[in-house]
Order: sequence, then C-alpha cells, then structure tokens
Amino acid sequence: SAVISQKPSRDICQRGTSLTIQCQVDSQVTMMFWYRQQPGQSLTLIATANQGSEATYESGFVIDKFPISRPNLTFSTLTVSNMSPEDSSIYLCSVRPGIHTEAFFGQGTRLTVV
Amino acid sequence: AQSVTQLDSQVPVFEEAPVELRCNYSSSVSVYLFWYVQYPNQGLQLLLKYLSGSTLVKGINGFEAEFNKSQTSFHLRKPSVHISDTAEYFCAVSEGYQAGTALIFGKGTTLSVSS
Repeated sequence: SAVISQKPSRDICQRGTSLTIQCQVDSQVTMMFWYRQQPGQSLTLIATANQGSEATYESGFVIDKFPISRPNLTFSTLTVSNMSPEDSSIYLCSVRPGIHTEAFFGQGTRLTVV
Repeated sequence: AQSVTQLDSQVPVFEEAPVELRCNYSSSVSVYLFWYVQYPNQGLQLLLKYLSGSTLVKGINGFEAEFNKSQTSFHLRKPSVHISDTAEYFCAVSEGYQAGTALIFGKGTTLSVSS
C-alpha cells in the first residue's frame, strides 16, 4: 500500500496567478500520476511523472500550463500556471506501488480560481 | 488505446433493492479492472479489483463484480443497497502488464438510494 500526503488541501487563488501542489509518498515509487477532477466530473489524467526524466503529458495538457517536478522517488509537485476560473478543480496525486496493485490517491487539492 | 464506458450516468434505487452499475472497457491487451467509490466531499476508496484468476470478485461493503472478457465488461452489483451506499462510483482500467501504468477512469455513475 501507499500513503500519500498532498498540500495544500484547498486554496482560493486569483486569476493569472500560479499554485504549486505538493505530493509526498511514504515509499519509493517509480512513477507518480497527476489527475484533475472538474466539478461533477470524473478523473482525467494530466501527466505521468517519472523520476529523472521529463513528465509525459496527456492530450490536452501542456508543460507550460502544468509544469511538474519529480526530484526524487517519494516527492512530486504540480504547478497550475496563469490560472483562470476554468482551472477550478480537484487535483489529485496518485501512485501504483507495483504492477499488481491498485492506484492509491491523495486526498486532493480543491482549487478555486476567482 | 484503452477506454472505459460507464453506461449509466445516474442510477436511482430504493433501499434494500438490488443494483447493477455497468462498465465496459476497450483495450487491445489484457487489463486490470477496478471499481472505486467517492462519497460526497471525500476521497477515492477502492471497492474491488480484478487482476487475474476468478472472474467473480468480491469487494468491501457487500459489492461484487464479474469480469467478462468476451463482452469486455466489469459490472458492479450489490444484492441489497443501503442509504449509505449513495455515492459516485467509478470504473477504471489499466493495461495490466506494464509497471506503473496509470488508471483510466470512466465518467462515473451516481448511485442514489432512497427510502
């Protein structure tokens, strides 16, 4: 299993600013995943962060808008840049510690952009 | 590319009635399948998972699901629901044999249980 801590748990931000979300895992993992859950919607994969290399972004998400860092095997950050109200969502960090395991999720960061 | 289709966006049922939440997946390779539940204003909780072996999988809170490879389905069932089962349910898939593969989620089904 894995325990994930995400910070902040929630924030209200002004449009045009940036917010960095931190994700700490209690064990070493090769890959960490970032998801977005828009209000009333499902989870959409933003990117996969692999330690020692650039993150891999899904279609519709770009590095300039969502830069990701992965400095070691237990930590990652996601930055939401130049925010607009459309970025208001829950952002979740996730890991899968092994091939035959489920995904574990942090409690999420509830972001409101005003 | 893999994808997940949850056929019902909303399922209203009465308490103690049976329920089935439908999920179909699309993948060209073997898959791992999952059901997660999200209670209002809470995080995601794993209900059950299919990795291999028996196609009937039992999970928490009395839920079970059956993996049907020929129909590419993984429907979730409960013989008798409670008010407390009211939540959002997500079916998810990963192409199982690659380490660290991300889960892809369906759009979710809102289960509403009333008395």
